[in-house]
Amino acid sequence: GQQLNQSPQSMFIQEGEDVSMNCTSSSIFNTWLWYKQDPGEGPVLLIALYKAGELTSNGRLTAQFGITRKDSFLNISASIPSDVGIYFCAGFINTGNQFYFGTGTSLTVIP
Amino acid sequence: EAGVAQSPRYKIIEKRQSVAFWCNPISGHATLYWYQQILGQGPKLLIQFQNNGVVDDSQLPKDRFSAERLKGVDSTLKIQPAKLEDSAVYLCASSLDIAIREQYFGPGTRLTVT
Repeated sequence: GQQLNQSPQSMFIQEGEDVSMNCTSSSIFNTWLWYKQDPGEGPVLLIALYKAGELTSNGRLTAQFGITRKDSFLNISASIPSDVGIYFCAGFINTGNQFYFGTGTSLTVIP
Repeated sequence: EAGVAQSPRYKIIEKRQSVAFWCNPISGHATLYWYQQILGQGPKLLIQFQNNGVVDDSQLPKDRFSAERLKGVDSTLKIQPAKLEDSAVYLCASSLDIAIREQYFGPGTRLTVT
């Protein structure tokens, strides 16, 4: 199947710092989604992106659909302790209704 | 609005035994998905339903896994017989329609095969 590579794999940051992470693929995707997963829980949808170049915000979170349609980016501003978790990107290819998750970025926020 | 419900939350079985997981999607959601998430990895799609029909099951190991959504609402995923490598969290998700990509997940069932 498709490979969605996320980087960095893990991040340790101070509370209040901004965070950037990305998701890349060798294939073109039609939709990008960003999820956050806490231990023992299912992923929670953060942001959905549907058009190349689209920039969407949800509170302190901002995500962008890359122009090439092969990547997406997530930024978190002014991080707080509850931002701790694993962030997954997910991409959707219309042809064949294919849906893939990335490898995840683990975020630790140090108070 | 109630979220996606899954049961049981935890299950421990011995290899070669059978196990079944249940999922009830968000009310009104036509599309239902089953994922397998191995520790340290992202979820992997196993099967997706639109109402009571299978849209894609290309990643489902059909020699041991089966799933059904007979009335187009709740769904059951079964493993028979289980192998050690089936130890994972099994997540169920739903979306309003197959054209709506935003999926909402349940809490998952953690399966341990010994």
